[in-house]
Amino acid sequence: QKEVEQNSGPLSVPEGAIASLNCTYSDRGSQSFFWYRQYSGKSPELIMFIYSNGDKEDGRFTAQLNKASQYVSLLIRDSQPSDSATYLCAVIPYNTDKLIFGTGTRLQVFP
Amino acid sequence: DTEVTQTPKHLVMGMTNKKSLKCEQHMGHRAMYWYKQKAKKPPELMFVYSYEKLSINESVPSRFSPECPNSSLLNLHLHALQPEDSALYLCASSQDRTSGRASSYEQYFGPGTRLTVT
Repeated sequence: QKEVEQNSGPLSVPEGAIASLNCTYSDRGSQSFFWYRQYSGKSPELIMFIYSNGDKEDGRFTAQLNKASQYVSLLIRDSQPSDSATYLCAVIPYNTDKLIFGTGTRLQVFP
Repeated sequence: DTEVTQTPKHLVMGMTNKKSLKCEQHMGHRAMYWYKQKAKKPPELMFVYSYEKLSINESVPSRFSPECPNSSLLNLHLHALQPEDSALYLCASSQDRTSGRASSYEQYFGPGTRLTVT
């Protein structure tokens, strides 16, 4: 079982819709969870981080964490074509400080 | 300000060349990282420096040699690379790795150096 799993996509959503990206992780003791956005040919950009169960909102982005079910999700409201990118979920498992990445989900927002 | 800078942006080198990649941050971060990323794959951790000391080496071949001259600078020296080493090399930094605070682990990436080995 991979430590951090994401559906590779592509996830295609129309402009203005809500895009929902999901991630599961295997280490139940994980404490820190991150979402990075990576445009083709560019470096990862940290867009959200969440440490406690529940929702965290920042503009059009909402991160949701459910430690009991070991999943973290990212919702993008009012999706724009400029949101088209690969979204990497990353987790710091218990007793380590290494960032473990999922393989990323490619999001396509079409006009 | 969450800026990490890297130079050069692109590098083409032969298998017998010696070159260096440079990374700089002025956020007062005390942890710095080198990652390698191949196309359509997530970043792979190579090295971690914490308070200017090498704390993690992920079994990287010796043809890659990291150096941390001070708390703001990180170098990656390259020698006798292979074509399969061609990749995007990413530098990242975070506040700290020893505080235990979750926020200390937020890593910010530089723009990367696109390396091609011929």
